[in-house]
This record gives sequence, structure tokens and C-alpha cells, in this order.
Amino acid sequence: GAGVSQSPSNKVTEKGKDVELRCDPISGHTALYWYRQRLGQGLEFLIYFQGNSAPDKSGLPSDRFSAERTGESVSTLTIQRTQQEDSAVYLCASSLPGLAGGEQFFGPGTRLTVL
Amino acid sequence: AQSVTQPDIHITVSEGASLELRCNYSYGATPYLFWYVQSPGQGLQLLLKYFSGDTLVQGIKGFEAEFKRSQSSFNLRKPSVHWSDAAEYFCAVGARDTDKLIFGTGTRLQVFP
Repeated sequence: GAGVSQSPSNKVTEKGKDVELRCDPISGHTALYWYRQRLGQGLEFLIYFQGNSAPDKSGLPSDRFSAERTGESVSTLTIQRTQQEDSAVYLCASSLPGLAGGEQFFGPGTRLTVL
Repeated sequence: AQSVTQPDIHITVSEGASLELRCNYSYGATPYLFWYVQSPGQGLQLLLKYFSGDTLVQGIKGFEAEFKRSQSSFNLRKPSVHWSDAAEYFCAVGARDTDKLIFGTGTRLQVFP
């Protein structure tokens, strides 16, 4: 596709349920990032995938959060046993490797509401 | 550790007025610096970036930013604001040895006709 796509665009769930968010990066982009944006706040780094290297999970807030990426394609972010504080917009970005060469292109985000 | 501060949460300007959005960073060496814009219902779009060289960088939509090492700042400017510039603006800093960006909390720009 022409850009980064994310699905669903909106997700409402009940506290305690698991949710799965999907990101389709731009074809050829080896780097993929997940961010969380809480209302009125900046973007919070969650996890970074680069090619076949081990992902940088340093931003994941708890062990309820996990993410997978198969090769250089789709990534899924899973939140288990959701809590109300997980309500946020989850943004995905992809780029060519390296900040110097690769602008991060962002998807439109998934707005998660936990009731 | 890297950090970014955007001191202004909300700025209101009249259309045609000049604009400056402030960004201060904390990093031990020369960082990579970015400004992104997030329009309502849109994803984030890169306005401009600084890696090295000329400290005044030009971006899209008539924006520019100046890297001032002595002030640890990377302020965004536009000489004449258009109503379509109303959006949220984020400054970000990246370390040269990682591929991660640290974002500021954003400045919401409102433009009055």
C-alpha cells in the first residue's frame, strides 16, 4: 500500500479482555515501531523491530504487553487483561533502517477505549 | 538520558501572524532532531529534521527550524501562519547510536481568522 495502515481504527473493550492491534508497514521498510499516545500527552515508545534482529522491548510498560512481527511484514501488538489506563491511541510507524536515513512514516493509529 | 521539553501546551495565533514553537532537548552529544505535525484525524507527518551541517533547516509547508547547541533548542518557525496549520506539533530527539525517537508532549496550535 501507499502508507502505513493500522486496524482496527477504533476498539472498545471491557476491562480484563485481551486485544490485538495490527500494523501493516510500508513495503520494504525493515524498521517498525509501536508508540502509545495518551490523551494530551506525547508519544511514548513501546517497542522497535529491525529486520531479523531481536526487538527492542524497553518501552513496554508491563508484561501484559507483547508484540510480534513476522519478517519485515505485519506486526501485531497484544494487550492482555486490559486495564482502563491502557486507553490511548496506539501508533505504528515504519522506516528504512537508521534515523539518519529513514524518516518514520506513521499510521493513523488505533484508538483503544477500555471500559 | 534523552528528553524533550515543549514548554507551550497551547498556542493561539491569528492567521498571517508569525509563529515560533519552542523545543528544548537534553542529550549528551549532538542529537538528531525532528518536528512532526499531527492534524486532526491524520497520522503524524514529518515537517523537517536536523542531522548535521547548516543549523537552519527548511521543511515542508513553509516551516523552518534552527538548531542552537548553546541553548539545547530546536525551535520551529513560520513567518505567516495559515488556518490550515492548526494542528498538534511534536518535537522529537533521536540518539545517534539508536533508532529510537523521544517525543515531547506536543504543542497544540490554534489559528484564528
